[in-house]
Amino acid sequence: GQNIDQPTEMTATEGAIVQINCTYQTSGFNGLFWYQQHAGEAPTFLSYNVLDGLEEKGRFSSFLSRSKGYSYLLLKELQMKDSASYLCAVSGGSYIPTFGRGTSLIVHP
Amino acid sequence: GAVVSQHPSRVICKSGTSVKIECRSLDFQATTMFWYRQFPKQSLMLMATSNEGSKATYEQGVEKDKFLINHASLTLSTLTVTSAHPEDSSFYICSASPAGGSYEQYFGPGTRLTVT
Repeated sequence: GQNIDQPTEMTATEGAIVQINCTYQTSGFNGLFWYQQHAGEAPTFLSYNVLDGLEEKGRFSSFLSRSKGYSYLLLKELQMKDSASYLCAVSGGSYIPTFGRGTSLIVHP
Repeated sequence: GAVVSQHPSRVICKSGTSVKIECRSLDFQATTMFWYRQFPKQSLMLMATSNEGSKATYEQGVEKDKFLINHASLTLSTLTVTSAHPEDSSFYICSASPAGGSYEQYFGPGTRLTVT
């Protein structure tokens, strides 16, 4: 089976930087995804990491360390619209991603 | 980008009736589609994996006779909630993976089901 752990809730200030961590245990590994989900809406894809290292995409970056079973999503220059739930999902041996419970990020002025 | 539509977006039905939810990939072919259920402040819970032309694979604890899944074409999968009960009220989300992809999923906008 797979076990994915991420903080339940985080708060940050507009304009700041926030890092959302995700740790996982899985049998087999075929990639790690980050999704953003606003309340009442479906998740939208943010990033995919399958190799170790940092992937940068605009204000968002995602990091992966396979040996440590660890990833983080880094959000820079936070905006109010970034308030959302951020889901870490891991694709194991079956290729089907399993989702974590999500981290609710609250950005305040 | 890849677009997945879902219909209806919101439905209210009476207890004991059945509801069908459609999931379509609009600009790509999806050999695999996934059905999720999400309760408030909870994560996505995978209900079943649907492959075109074959029977769906249900996750443990999901009743296949209650949640009927049909994946008749490479662009359409349907979920029918049969004999709905108030506890089936939830947010149902489908996703689709393009053929030959890395199982990256594109999500539909979700269907809010309320059973009265």
